[in-house]
Amino acid sequence: DGGITQSPKYLFRKEGQNVTLSCEQNLNHDAMYWYRQDPGQGLRLIYYSQIVNDFQKGDIAEGYSVSREKKESFPLTVTSAQKNPTAFYLCASSMYSRGTGELFFGEGSRLTVL
Amino acid sequence: KQEVTQIPAALSVPEGENLVLNCSFTDSAIYNLQWFRQDPGKGLTSLLLIQSSQREQTSGRLNASLDKSSGRSTLYIAASQPGDSATYLCAVGDDKIIFGKGTRLHILP
Repeated sequence: DGGITQSPKYLFRKEGQNVTLSCEQNLNHDAMYWYRQDPGQGLRLIYYSQIVNDFQKGDIAEGYSVSREKKESFPLTVTSAQKNPTAFYLCASSMYSRGTGELFFGEGSRLTVL
Repeated sequence: KQEVTQIPAALSVPEGENLVLNCSFTDSAIYNLQWFRQDPGKGLTSLLLIQSSQREQTSGRLNASLDKSSGRSTLYIAASQPGDSATYLCAVGDDKIIFGKGTRLHILP
């Protein structure tokens, strides 16, 4: 089945450690996005990529890094520089870039810093 | 900078009622507007996508309208059911895709 797969679903991290969240899509979509969601909040954009080997910062990119070496993959690294990393992370993709296409989401990854 | 606002933040209605959720945005130069549903601890499910050239979209008991000139969209849910209880979010697409904070809907059996 076509879709977006995020892993792991739950992740625990000690302070000072970097962690990488995986996002894979088999929809042949050009654009991919990472969002962060905190309790009672909407989604805030971390990074987005409209084409392979290119990505742009969103509204809250500090303390995060991404890569887009393959069309189907857009991993997010939460670095130790991110001061409050505990959150629900959502990956999404869209067939067309520049916000013109319908957005589809994975099931999310919940990161807890101990 | 695009800002998206959803009112009300929370809503409880008895089963069977029709209801309207509101979404407003500050910059009318958008490509589209999308409504999503989110169940607790889950990802988002797309409900309706309205392109900027369209005025409304319908899917089953759901109808979404778009008025670009006034920066507003509404999601109409007919004959509400307990299974409609969820958080509903709208998002506007321009160079980025920006979300509102959502409306938490609770349908009372």
